[in-house]
Amino acid sequence: DPKIIQKPKYLVAVTGSEKILICEQYLGHNAMYWYRQSAKKPLEFMFSYSYQKLMDNQTASSRFQPQSSKKNHLDLQITALKPDDSATYFCASSHDWGVYEQYFGPGTRLTVL
Amino acid sequence: AQKVTQTQTSISVMEKTTVTMDCVYETQDSSYFLFWYKQTASGEIVFLIRQDSYKKENATVGHYSLNFQKPKSSIGLIITATQIEDSAVYFCAMRETGNYKYVFGAGTRLKVIA
Repeated sequence: DPKIIQKPKYLVAVTGSEKILICEQYLGHNAMYWYRQSAKKPLEFMFSYSYQKLMDNQTASSRFQPQSSKKNHLDLQITALKPDDSATYFCASSHDWGVYEQYFGPGTRLTVL
Repeated sequence: AQKVTQTQTSISVMEKTTVTMDCVYETQDSSYFLFWYKQTASGEIVFLIRQDSYKKENATVGHYSLNFQKPKSSIGLIITATQIEDSAVYFCAMRETGNYKYVFGAGTRLKVIA
């Protein structure tokens, strides 16, 4: 069974719309993260959460808002979508927040038209 | 500021040989942690191996090992007895203790040829 689930796998949106990317982990980890990977940039760290508390935000835009309803959930809401937001978004988790290795989900590929 | 650089864009090797992938990093922290990840053709990202800066011994896991040269700020990944399924993109990453942001390099694409 997959340990980190991301939904949907593919997502197509129109410019200006809003979408939510879902992430659930079943590894019993206490920390979760979001990354973005586009053709133009390597894996780019976005957010980190520990016990549902935001620990680090490296995303310049407030259009990206993480949401954690449970310790093993970390969704990513993106508003006012732009074509430049097109990328694959990866969710990851680690045992605890800190210097632990991370385990990645399969990603959600977002295309903004 | 943290920075991780992988200068090798792509490498091709024959199966069953040894390959080394380079990674250099920049940090102001005296304590930091280095990781290597592999991204397969399907997009899956998998953790491979880590090196803690305070450890002098090079880490080894299975057929992966590291060449940690702290004075050169270098952390090379060595894969011995390469297999076709090792073909993937390999990312080097760093995390400082003072700044818990993960920074990834641009990746090196490895192709193992039969």
